[in-house]
Amino acid sequence: KAGVTQTPRYLIKTRGQQVTLSCSPISGHRSVSWYQQTPGQGLQFLFEYFSETQRNKGNFPGRFSGRQFSNSRSEMNVSTLELGDSALYLCASSLLTGGAYNEQFFGPGTRLTVL
Amino acid sequence: DQQVKQNSPSLSVQEGRISILNCDYTNSMFDYFLWYKKYPAEGPTFLISISSIKDKNEDGRFTVFLNKSAKHLSLHIVPSQPGDSAVYFCAASGAGNQFYFGTGTSLTVIP
Repeated sequence: KAGVTQTPRYLIKTRGQQVTLSCSPISGHRSVSWYQQTPGQGLQFLFEYFSETQRNKGNFPGRFSGRQFSNSRSEMNVSTLELGDSALYLCASSLLTGGAYNEQFFGPGTRLTVL
Repeated sequence: DQQVKQNSPSLSVQEGRISILNCDYTNSMFDYFLWYKKYPAEGPTFLISISSIKDKNEDGRFTVFLNKSAKHLSLHIVPSQPGDSAVYFCAASGAGNQFYFGTGTSLTVIP
């Protein structure tokens, strides 16, 4: 079974630009979560989508948005990029069977550098 | 507000000895806890989990202990191997599917 894939793997943008990151979950997984990883901050939760609906949202400004498509693929968008947005963005998928806790499977991440 | 904390950014252990990684949490509603291992340039990979109805879960060389009264969990690796050198994240979850991660502990196992 193919794992979680993220594209692109590396991205360089300048301040003020916008960026879109893509995530394809493991086949059959319906939940996709996004995280930002920066040195010293660990993984900070951005949002989670399930069946095309945002279920949970972390404490990030509105410049960070996402969506999920009917095939469970998800995109994350960051508008008006700031230097502090430079980070590794990780996507994780889980099966989310009803009532049970699910481990999350992570993709390799997209390394975003904002200049 | 960091609800899951890993207060040791790094840990060095001799090969063959025990590695103990610690994690504290503040939210008493958390009832599912996980450990992930992360190598550079890769995403975190699931290692072991424990639910709040247990106080110990073992999988091979890896054991997770949960002390609910102290809101503390730990990961024991015995014996430690050089391939265990990685960053370890603990994570916690309550209702729903939102996970809170710690800041990670970088483990170095010295041959």
